[in-house]
Amino acid sequence: EDQVTQSPEALRLQEGESSSLNCSYTVSGLRGLFWYRQDPGKGPEFLFTLYSAGEEKEKERLKATLTKKESFLHITAPKPEDSATYLCAVQASEKLVFGKGTKLTVNP
Amino acid sequence: DGGITQSPKYLFRKEGQNVTLSCEQNLNHDAMYWYRQDPGQGLRLIYYSQIVNDFQKGDIAEGYSVSREKKESFPLTVTSAQKNPTAFYLCASSTGRGVLETQYFGPGTRLLVL
Repeated sequence: EDQVTQSPEALRLQEGESSSLNCSYTVSGLRGLFWYRQDPGKGPEFLFTLYSAGEEKEKERLKATLTKKESFLHITAPKPEDSATYLCAVQASEKLVFGKGTKLTVNP
Repeated sequence: DGGITQSPKYLFRKEGQNVTLSCEQNLNHDAMYWYRQDPGQGLRLIYYSQIVNDFQKGDIAEGYSVSREKKESFPLTVTSAQKNPTAFYLCASSTGRGVLETQYFGPGTRLLVL
């Protein structure tokens, strides 16, 4: 059975304190891995798609990386507006399998 | 602006009542999806449709029904058979034309039971 595990469940940072979120997965025939950002009471907002091990993508203070077993979302010098829940999902068939998310809080 | 709209934002259901959640997209996407989100759980797939007049059950289809009569619309009905309907419901769409497709989400509908 395809599984996605995100850690930590919650992370609290001070503004400017860099850190990483982890997404580990077990899936047969990975087609791709997705990162989304979700604000409270809103729908998920697409951030990145990663297709193969070794791939990296960046957007502002965020950088996503992918290995054969896990993905990291690195947050460099975060700001309070980066506070949100970050969701990871993998696609092996026509369906996505989501992790439970990491709730990030950045204090000013 | 292209996007996905869901209505209503909040919906209240009485015991034994069927309710319908609306999802419309103007992205010209072929594929549409319904997910349920509960606190502390990942998104779970209810139903999906890859083409008009066709749809498939997801992982938690019991107590739900859908239709796909138009490319732009994919309404979800929560029936009285769904005993625990309180959740945040998310609709998504993708092009439906590739092996790997990005799904784009609507703003969600929160369903509460009276």
